[in-house]
This record gives sequence, structure tokens and C-alpha cells, in this order.
Amino acid sequence: NAGVTQTPKFRVLKTGQSMTLLCAQDMNHEYMYWYRQDPGMGLRLIHYSVGEGTTAKGEVPDGYNVSRLKKQNFLLGLESAAPSQTSVYFCASSPGTVYSNQPQHFGDGTRLSIL
Amino acid sequence: GQSLEQPSEVTAVEGAIVQINCTYQTSGFYGLSWYQQHDGGAPTFLSYNALDGLEETGRFSSFLSRSDSYGYLLLQELQMKDSASYFCAVRGSGYSTLTFGKGTMLLVSP
Repeated sequence: NAGVTQTPKFRVLKTGQSMTLLCAQDMNHEYMYWYRQDPGMGLRLIHYSVGEGTTAKGEVPDGYNVSRLKKQNFLLGLESAAPSQTSVYFCASSPGTVYSNQPQHFGDGTRLSIL
Repeated sequence: GQSLEQPSEVTAVEGAIVQINCTYQTSGFYGLSWYQQHDGGAPTFLSYNALDGLEETGRFSSFLSRSDSYGYLLLQELQMKDSASYFCAVRGSGYSTLTFGKGTMLLVSP
């Protein structure tokens, strides 16, 4: 019963390096989301996807790119990491709009430090 | 856009009742949700209110007043394991996204 799986769990990068965070869900959910969480800031939406092959910008998209080539996977990329991107990144998924209440299911997070 | 206000911290003792308030401003309202997060772990869904009134799930209840743009989470018979952060969230105008408050840290003492 995996749910939402994020890899890696921890990573340290140097400024300017690139990396990709992987999110995989096995619940056949249509929607997937990437958030960042900083102390005192709550969860802020970076990008999201409402289906395979679609992506959209959230509240704080700058410096990030995403792809949803397969329904079960949602990738978050940092092209040139900056110290301001040091954060905990959460992936989430939820069913489609047919449900009036569509709770989001979260992964355990990726703790990313940019030096 | 959407914005939510909730207290940053609430303290209570075991066995007590605590209420965590949330006020929101949103251009379109499609429901108020509550999530719990322990020690920076995965947030987990607690409750959802689309209509005015009280929803009860065990020791937890959630209330909504759409006319006041206000809701609260009520936790009864507090246990030490209830120490966590609690986030309210509103459905975005695009329906498919949530905007979260900054969270309320609940500290339960013996």
C-alpha cells in the first residue's frame, strides 16, 4: 500500500547544480501537485497537473519545471539550484473533479539543501 | 486570490478541548479542508466542509460558516499524539487546487 512515493528523501546540492525530484502514485489519481514548505510559510503550490501530459503553474513556479509523461509520475526539476530553493518538497495526488471532496494524499517529502 | 489566517500556536493539556480557528478570503469558495502534520512528516487529511454546520469524525469536529468566511477545527479529549501542526485549506478558484494557511502548531502537555 505505497500511496505517494517521493525520491530522494534527502539531497544536498551546490548552487547552480540541477536535479530532478520524482513522485510516483499508485492510486490512479488524475491530479498531482508539488509543494514546498518553509518554516512559518505553510504549504505553497509550485506546479500541478490535472492529467497525463498537462501541467500548470501554482503560486511559486519560478526556478522550477515539471513534467507528467505518465499518469502515475510527476517530476519536479531544478535547472540551476539556488540557496532560496532550500526547502522541504512535498508531492501530493488526488482524484478528479467528479468528487465533491477530493482530499490530497501526500508523500513523505524530500528535504533539499542548496549550499 | 485566496488567503487564510489561523493562529500560529495553541497549547492545551491532555483531556482538554481545543479549537483552532481559520478565517479565509477567496474569490470563489468550494469548501474548507483541514490537514494534520506531525513533525514535518506527510500532511494527512482530517476533514472537509462544503456547507455550513458541524461535521464530526470521532474526537475531531470541523465547523464552517460561509457567511462569516470562518471555520474551526475542534479537538476533544486531547491526547499527547495530537501534538502536531494543523492546516486549513480552501479550494482554489480553478477547483483543482488548494491554498493552505500557514498552520497552527498544537502543543499538548500532560
